[in-house]
Amino acid sequence: GAGVSQSPSNKVTEKGKDVELRCDPISGHTALYWYRQSLGQGLEFLIYFQGNSAPDKSGLPSDRFSAERTGGSVSTLTIQRTQQEDSAVYLCASSLTNYGYTFGSGTRLTVV
Amino acid sequence: RKEVEQDPGPFNVPEGATVAFNCTYSNSASQSFFWYRQDCRKEPKLLMSVYSSGNEDGRFTAQLNRASQYISLLIRDSKLSDSATYLCVSFSGGYNKLIFGAGTRLAVHP
Repeated sequence: GAGVSQSPSNKVTEKGKDVELRCDPISGHTALYWYRQSLGQGLEFLIYFQGNSAPDKSGLPSDRFSAERTGGSVSTLTIQRTQQEDSAVYLCASSLTNYGYTFGSGTRLTVV
Repeated sequence: RKEVEQDPGPFNVPEGATVAFNCTYSNSASQSFFWYRQDCRKEPKLLMSVYSSGNEDGRFTAQLNRASQYISLLIRDSKLSDSATYLCVSFSGGYNKLIFGAGTRLAVHP
């Protein structure tokens, strides 16, 4: 497709379970970002991938969070041993340059 | 202090009104600035970039004041469809990431 694709669109999980969120960026976009947005809050930076460079993981809130980007394309964000405070919308964005970031429609994660 | 700060609003205005949003940023090394629009339960979408000379796109005008580290967005002749949250965003090449303000909510009523 032409846009950034994220799956699943909604995920309900039990506290303590692991979850994997997927992001399929726009073809050819070298930069990929993960953000999260809690209810009524702004976007919180999580992690940034740029080409083959080491990712910027400075925004990951704890070691339960990790992300990979395989082959410079698809990315997965993994949250281990989920907690209720992890409930949020997880947004992925991709970009070819420093401008024109395109966001996916997000994964709404609910930890019960 | 947050790196990008915005008045959360909400701004409740009648159709046809002119409304202005302000935003301040703390990182003087920030290079680029943007306004994004986010509708309820939707992803943010780029509204416009902000340039030092100021730029206009139809009813929308954005201004950047680097000396005061201040960004503004002016919406003229508000429409019902302008109701959304407006996110002020800075980009620093040194950090290579977009930093979002928490957003300003606009509600345009008939």
